[in-house]
Amino acid sequence: GDSVTQMEGPVTLSEEAFLTINCTYTATGYPSLFWYVQYPGEGLQLLLKATKADDKGSNKGFEATYRKETTSFHLEKGSVQVSDSAVYFCALSEAVVNQFYFGTGTSLTVIP
Amino acid sequence: EAQVTQNPRYLITVTGKKLTVTCSQNMNHEYMSWYRQDPGLGLRQIYYSMNVEVTDKGDVPEGYKVSRKEKRNFPLILESPSPNQTSLYFCASSLLGLAAYNEQFFGPGTRLTVL
Repeated sequence: GDSVTQMEGPVTLSEEAFLTINCTYTATGYPSLFWYVQYPGEGLQLLLKATKADDKGSNKGFEATYRKETTSFHLEKGSVQVSDSAVYFCALSEAVVNQFYFGTGTSLTVIP
Repeated sequence: EAQVTQNPRYLITVTGKKLTVTCSQNMNHEYMSWYRQDPGLGLRQIYYSMNVEVTDKGDVPEGYKVSRKEKRNFPLILESPSPNQTSLYFCASSLLGLAAYNEQFFGPGTRLTVL
């Protein structure tokens, strides 16, 4: 079945450091891929998405490229800020099965 | 404001005492879903609904019930809660089911503790 595997946390970085959170997936069809962010005490919010191979999603300085050949969708940001401290979830959806699959989440803490 | 609301936000209960967590969305979304979030397991889908009176099981439906009598509401029912249902629960909604480009909108979460 479909699944998402993402980098274990927690991750602690200094402000302005480069961020990479790895995400790989297994899917039977042609999924769409998402990154969601969960700030403390809140629900998940969509950060970015990509719907087909080689698409790049971007938002708030974060980027991720849908790589079909490596079944990956790694999240990157060139210079993190304290306000980026949150839990990040990689996810995929396949319309045919009407289900959404999430990774286990990666907790990021950015220190000044 | 477009949103998904859940109530209650926090609930402590005892084993076997029936409870309902409500979920409501004001975006006229057809698709609604319930998830539970547990440490190390991420989010797992409990039930989903493609439209009024249409519901289906997700990955972890045991011990839960849902109903979809109105488009905006999708309550989660625990008929006889057990301690292993202690978790953080999220309701979500989206347009047109899981079409490739649709995002899900999440509620703020309900933290449930079953003693």
